[in-house]
Amino acid sequence: DIQMTQSPSVLSASVGDRVTLNCKASQNINKYLNWYQQKLGEAPKLLIYNTNNLQTGIPSRFSGSGSGTDYTLTISSLQPEDVATYFCFQHNSWPLTFGSGTKLEIK
Amino acid sequence: EVQLVESGGGLVQPGRSLKLSCLASGFTFSNYGMNWIRQAPGKGLEWVASISSSSSYIYYADTVKGRFTISRDNAKNTLYLQMTSLRSEDTALYYCARGTPFAYWGQGTLVTVSS
Repeated sequence: DIQMTQSPSVLSASVGDRVTLNCKASQNINKYLNWYQQKLGEAPKLLIYNTNNLQTGIPSRFSGSGSGTDYTLTISSLQPEDVATYFCFQHNSWPLTFGSGTKLEIK
Repeated sequence: EVQLVESGGGLVQPGRSLKLSCLASGFTFSNYGMNWIRQAPGKGLEWVASISSSSSYIYYADTVKGRFTISRDNAKNTLYLQMTSLRSEDTALYYCARGTPFAYWGQGTLVTVSS
């Protein structure tokens, strides 16, 4: 099974900061990597699919990059509404697996 | 508007069974693979099972293989998850989600396994 490791587990940043969330796969996942945002009490929301494709309706301050085993989600200018937990997810091979999440807080 | 509405959750004793449903609307259900994902209280997301549009391909997480069965009725626009031999560690909010990527999610149905 492919293990997905996210870092950091908690990230505290200020409004306007550029923030980077990391996700590392235990083996090559061929860019089949999605990012989801989950706000407290809500269902997860798809932000980025297949590494760098922005889902319709998602603000352009969100972007994704990476290849092989290493992937990143970047928020170019952190907004208060971005407080949430962010999960990466690989769909390169079965079983499908999520990372354990990065909780993003505002300083 | 795409809508996914889960139902069937509740309190169940260990070892018993429960069947979840996910009613889909706002899209052509028979054109999409469907998925179940769960989230234990205060924990992360865990993929549970996936089924292709015509039910030809089905996949399960190792943690539920042999105990859970995913199925669908395209005439009723409904996805199912039959859960048997339930354990305390199956306690979670169960979401259904459309396709890959999981672009649309329901709001979830809570399953609590406890004596």
